[in-house]
Amino acid sequence: DAGVIQSPRHEVTEMGQEVTLRCKPISGHDYLFWYRQTMMRGLELLIYFNNNVPIDDSGMPEDRFSAKMPNASFSTLKIQPSEPRDSAVYFCASSHRTSGLVETQYFGPGTRLTVL
Amino acid sequence: AQSVTQLGSHVSVSEGALVLLRCNYSSSVPPYLFWYVQYPNQGLQLLLKYTTGATLVKGINGFEAEFKKSETSFHLTKPSAHMSDAAEYFCAVTSWGSKLTFGTGTRLQVTL
Repeated sequence: DAGVIQSPRHEVTEMGQEVTLRCKPISGHDYLFWYRQTMMRGLELLIYFNNNVPIDDSGMPEDRFSAKMPNASFSTLKIQPSEPRDSAVYFCASSHRTSGLVETQYFGPGTRLTVL
Repeated sequence: AQSVTQLGSHVSVSEGALVLLRCNYSSSVPPYLFWYVQYPNQGLQLLLKYTTGATLVKGINGFEAEFKKSETSFHLTKPSAHMSDAAEYFCAVTSWGSKLTFGTGTRLQVTL
């Protein structure tokens, strides 16, 4: 399997612009997670989906952030408008729940976002 | 609520020396515990996990961790460090459910 695929790998944009990050989970996985990693705050869960439905978005910083999962093989995280404090590495992860077991999350390589 | 505390944001060991990375957790229900490793400019990769059963868990690259309920700990060890072990290591906890709570990470440096 190709693993979790994220694009772009690097994004540089100016404050106020819209940014869209993309993720393709591992085929067959029914959970998808978006994380943000910064030096100051470490690794934070932003939102996660189960079977394409958002389950917990309590980690989404504010209304400027939105995430969608239109189908089982694609998800987006959008920031509009972007601000310099959004600069971070954004990770997507996916997993598959097997009844009675705790699943492992598989991470993508991340998107490094820089907002100038 | 769950939480993880990783003691020591930076650990430095000599090549061939014992690696010990500390993790203590807090959970009101039986926890499931994970160690992930992150190499520079890469995503996180699972090293090992504890769910139920044997409290000593073996993972990849010669790492292992022991779940100690009485000490609420899940420390990561490796008998002999290798230069390729230099990375950042994250401990994480979950109960029943999918939401992982990560620690702040420990950066391991391996010197000659």
